[in-house]
Amino acid sequence: QSALTQPASVSGTPGQSITISCVGTSTDIGAFNFVSWYQQHPGRVPKAIIYEVKNRPSGISDRFSGSKSGNTASLTISGLQAEDEADYYCTSMSTTSNLDYVFGTGTKVTVL
Amino acid sequence: EVQLVQSGAEVRQPGESLKISCEFSGRTFTSYWIAWVRQMPGKGLELMGTIYPGNSDTRYSPSLRGQVTIAVDKSTASVYLQWNSLKASDTAMYFCARRGDGWVFDVWGQGTLVTVSS
Repeated sequence: QSALTQPASVSGTPGQSITISCVGTSTDIGAFNFVSWYQQHPGRVPKAIIYEVKNRPSGISDRFSGSKSGNTASLTISGLQAEDEADYYCTSMSTTSNLDYVFGTGTKVTVL
Repeated sequence: EVQLVQSGAEVRQPGESLKISCEFSGRTFTSYWIAWVRQMPGKGLELMGTIYPGNSDTRYSPSLRGQVTIAVDKSTASVYLQWNSLKASDTAMYFCARRGDGWVFDVWGQGTLVTVSS
């Protein structure tokens, strides 16, 4: 089961907006609206920041937004802040995984 | 509030066995899938397997099938990850996580660091 493809790194300056892509296939992202995004600071536990493509869990800043087009999902961070520097992972429901899930490769966000 | 509390860090030698735990606190333990997620040093998140406590339905990543066992004890509301013969390459941080509504891993354990070294 292949992982979803994310850029290894994305960087931006404070206040800027950045977008992280998550490329899948017609058997995962393209087939379902069950894309989630997770933020993980170094040495910390991953935290869900987006679910069902564009929904934010309670307490998550509205600077984080999600979208999907075809087989590609995207996470946009608006008004980039120093605290946003972390690793970000996407996941999707998948018909080709016996686990029903596939994870993304992860993206390191650096705030310059 | 639902919480997942994992057992503490472990150090083992290659070839030894190990069982780590993830204790669920809160209601509805049997109604949600629980996953084990591996993170090797400096690497990304990898889904190892999932278990549904309600009926013990268990699924494994094809790359890990046969190398680990995932089990549940409903009497203690705990899920376990077990190795019969550890390898140095099993050195990693292991997280348990609940798959909540919306197909999102919404609650995570604090992680268990496993170090395998001679």
